[in-house]
Amino acid sequence: EVQLVESGGGLVKPGGSLRLSCAASGFTFSSYSMNWVRQAPGKGLEWVSSISSSSSYRYYADSVKGRFTISRDNAKNSLYLQMNSLRAEDTAVYYCARAQGSISMIFVVTSFDNWGQGTLVTVSS
Amino acid sequence: EIVLTQSPATLSLSPGERATLSCGASQSVSSSYLAWYQQKPGLAPRLLIYDASNRATGIPDRFSGSGSGTDFTLTISRLDPEDFAVYYCQQYGTSGTFGQGTKVEI
Repeated sequence: EVQLVESGGGLVKPGGSLRLSCAASGFTFSSYSMNWVRQAPGKGLEWVSSISSSSSYRYYADSVKGRFTISRDNAKNSLYLQMNSLRAEDTAVYYCARAQGSISMIFVVTSFDNWGQGTLVTVSS
Repeated sequence: EIVLTQSPATLSLSPGERATLSCGASQSVSSSYLAWYQQKPGLAPRLLIYDASNRATGIPDRFSGSGSGTDFTLTISRLDPEDFAVYYCQQYGTSGTFGQGTKVEI
């Protein structure tokens, strides 16, 4: 059974930093592209970032480009999101999601076939 | 950026009825790279349909997707009580955006 478990969320002040983690199990993590998707309280879904299986390709939504960095450690079956210069509008539940297809030079975002339970990030003074 | 507009915002139906949800794109979605998700309160979304018309693993056949270009539809042939939820469409490929959601309520 595919399992994705996020951690690292919490309360942070504007301008602060936070690092989210996602522990994967139940599938060959190193073979799959991965993503972060967020959902502000009471709002819809927003793709945040994607990374290919070997980390060769990394993409970001314009709203987080230059502030967030996606990475992965295939030896540890883990996905990460380093979030810097956080803003109030970054407040959301952040989901780790497995890509259905492969991220490549031309394929930036896929559909998402498995999701974690999410971790809440609150940016507030 | 491709903007997806879902209609209606809310659909009020009874168990056993047919539900038809629409997703319109501001420009053509290449290769029908369109997905549908179901989300229940407090839970993560679940993939229902990908590539416009392919059911994801384990999804009942009462869910079907159709469409191409700029107009896509999710149909639930006979609503089960567990189907009352919010549904999102998503386009993917060279960019990725979601619609604002349709709530299917009793």
